[in-house]
Amino acid sequence: DIQMTQSPSSLSASLGDRVTITCRASQSISSYLNWYQQKPGKAPKLLIYAASRLQSGVPSRFSGSGSGTDFTLTISSLQPEDFATYYCQQSHSTPHTFGQGTKLEIK
Amino acid sequence: EVQLVQSGAEVKKPGESLKISCKGSGYSFPNYWIGWVRQMPGKGLEWMGIIYPGDSNTRYSPSFQGQVTISADKSISTAYVQWSSLKASDTAMYYCARMHSNNPLAPFDYWGQGTLVTVSS
Repeated sequence: DIQMTQSPSSLSASLGDRVTITCRASQSISSYLNWYQQKPGKAPKLLIYAASRLQSGVPSRFSGSGSGTDFTLTISSLQPEDFATYYCQQSHSTPHTFGQGTKLEIK
Repeated sequence: EVQLVQSGAEVKKPGESLKISCKGSGYSFPNYWIGWVRQMPGKGLEWMGIIYPGDSNTRYSPSFQGQVTISADKSISTAYVQWSSLKASDTAMYYCARMHSNNPLAPFDYWGQGTLVTVSS
């Protein structure tokens, strides 16, 4: 299985901050990297797919970059509704493993 | 509007069997892969497997192969995951999710609301 490692595991930030979460794959996954947001008690929501493509309806303050093994999710200016847990997922080969998650909290 | 509606919460005893469901609507159900994701209490997301309802092509995570069976009935636009003998460690929230296209490399773009399975003696 391809292992996905996110960092940091948790992060405290303030409204308006620029935040970056990283995700590293244990082997090259080209651009088959997706990012999800999950709020407590809710199903995950797709934010970014194919490393950098913004899912329809997702605010443009979210962006993704990277290819191969190293990827980033950036939120340009944190809004109150952005405090949640974020997961990366590779869809290069089955099983489509998820990272362990990054919990974004209010400072 | 694409919707995935999952069956309700279940409370079972160890050793019992269970089948939970996920009904898709608002799109051509046979032509999109559907997957299942486990989330144990307070933990992260685990990819269990996917199925293409059009031909029942199924792919499992090695961690779940032999532990669950994923199936689909395209005539009623419903996917399933079943256990033959539940364990306490199967206690979790289970989500179904549709993949973005008929490509098995696609992300999950629509998710069900989740089915909470509790296994306790």
